[in-house]
Amino acid sequence: DQQVKQNSPSLSVQEGRISILNCDYTNSMFDYFLWYKKYPAEGPTFLISISSIKDKNEDGRFTVFLNKSAKHLSLHIVPSQPGDSAVYFCAASHNAGNMLTFGGGTRLMVKP
Amino acid sequence: EPEVTQTPSHQVTQMGQEVILRCVPISNHLYFYWYRQILGQKVEFLVSFYNNEISEKSEIFDDQFSVERPDGSNFTLKIRSTKLEDSAMYFCASSPSRTGNYGYTFGSGTRLTVV
Repeated sequence: DQQVKQNSPSLSVQEGRISILNCDYTNSMFDYFLWYKKYPAEGPTFLISISSIKDKNEDGRFTVFLNKSAKHLSLHIVPSQPGDSAVYFCAASHNAGNMLTFGGGTRLMVKP
Repeated sequence: EPEVTQTPSHQVTQMGQEVILRCVPISNHLYFYWYRQILGQKVEFLVSFYNNEISEKSEIFDDQFSVERPDGSNFTLKIRSTKLEDSAMYFCASSPSRTGNYGYTFGSGTRLTVV
């Protein structure tokens, strides 16, 4: 099941620079998209979400962009900090439903 | 900040045994979930629970699995007869409403090892 896909298993970025994490989906029924961050030995932590009626949502250093025609979303972190080093998952749901479909995750490493 | 609490953090069980994974969701949340992540694989949805009944479940959630909210605070996942392939990290989560823009709050997980 590859309905939500994160093609980059890892990303390395210098502190202070922008981190861009990408996610693609195939199910056109998805109408909410979410990003989670996960540290080792912890559960995923909700970061930011976007509804399919929007193309951008911003919260502090985190911005999510949605391109519905390309079925693509991205998470921008500006500026990146060493504490942002974690695995980032995108997830999607439809009809604002309960079930989330997760991507495989991207490990972000922010170097000081 | 309110937390979802899961116990135990690590459970080792023999194949064929029953296990119960326990969770205490955030007190004013209404929706409860179980997900699992097999090592090296994606986080997968198992089941959602609302108003004392299952609202959605995945193909993984077969007759070997059951969920219960035995009292006002606990939410449990039971696996009746564990298999080797049930070895995974199991995450409980809760939310105040359907997913929407709120996301879930996840617990730290229970690592289940079936030997």
